[in-house]
Amino acid sequence: GQQVMQIPQYQHVQEGEDFTTYCNSSTTLSNIQWYKQRPGGHPVFLIQLVKSGEVKKQKRLTFQFGEAKKNSSLHITATQTTDVGTYFCAGPTSGTYKYIFGTGTRLKVLA
Amino acid sequence: DVKVTQSSRYLVKRTGEKVFLECVQDMDHENMFWYRQDPGLGLRLIYFSYDVKMKEKGDIPEGYSVSREKKERFSLILESASTNQTSMYLCASLRRTRHSSYEQYFGPGTRLTVT
Repeated sequence: GQQVMQIPQYQHVQEGEDFTTYCNSSTTLSNIQWYKQRPGGHPVFLIQLVKSGEVKKQKRLTFQFGEAKKNSSLHITATQTTDVGTYFCAGPTSGTYKYIFGTGTRLKVLA
Repeated sequence: DVKVTQSSRYLVKRTGEKVFLECVQDMDHENMFWYRQDPGLGLRLIYFSYDVKMKEKGDIPEGYSVSREKKERFSLILESASTNQTSMYLCASLRRTRHSSYEQYFGPGTRLTVT
């Protein structure tokens, strides 16, 4: 079945360093979503990417969708302690609203 | 603002009990989902519903059933709770924006412990 993998599973960075998480799907995706879950909280929608090669920015966050629409990345520039949490990517199974979530990358930022 | 509420934040049940987890959304969304979240496994889809009385199995439906009698309410039922169902349960509803973007809105989660 369709699988969505994320690496790394964990990342510890010093405040001010950059951070990147990668998402890889076993199948081509029509779109990909990113969510952030703060410790003790629930996932919160960040963004959706639809087009091949698409790049979107939200302040210090840069999201990319691969040319083949099978991979994506989230890059955070100059991390802050408020960036702490787990970042998930999610892609839909073909023709449905059923989303497969990646395993998540837990980010810790050391002040 | 979309609001998704879940009936309990924490629940402790005994093995063999029947457990009901309730989820309510206030935005008239058609699609609703139940996930469980376990460390290292991410979010795994148990069941989803695309309309009243309509449901589809997700990736791990065994041991669970669902009910959607009204559009705003989606219930997850553990017919006979077992210790391997100890987990965080998250409900979500799906919003479609004007620009054909889809966003899942999650409830706060129910942490279920089965002893």
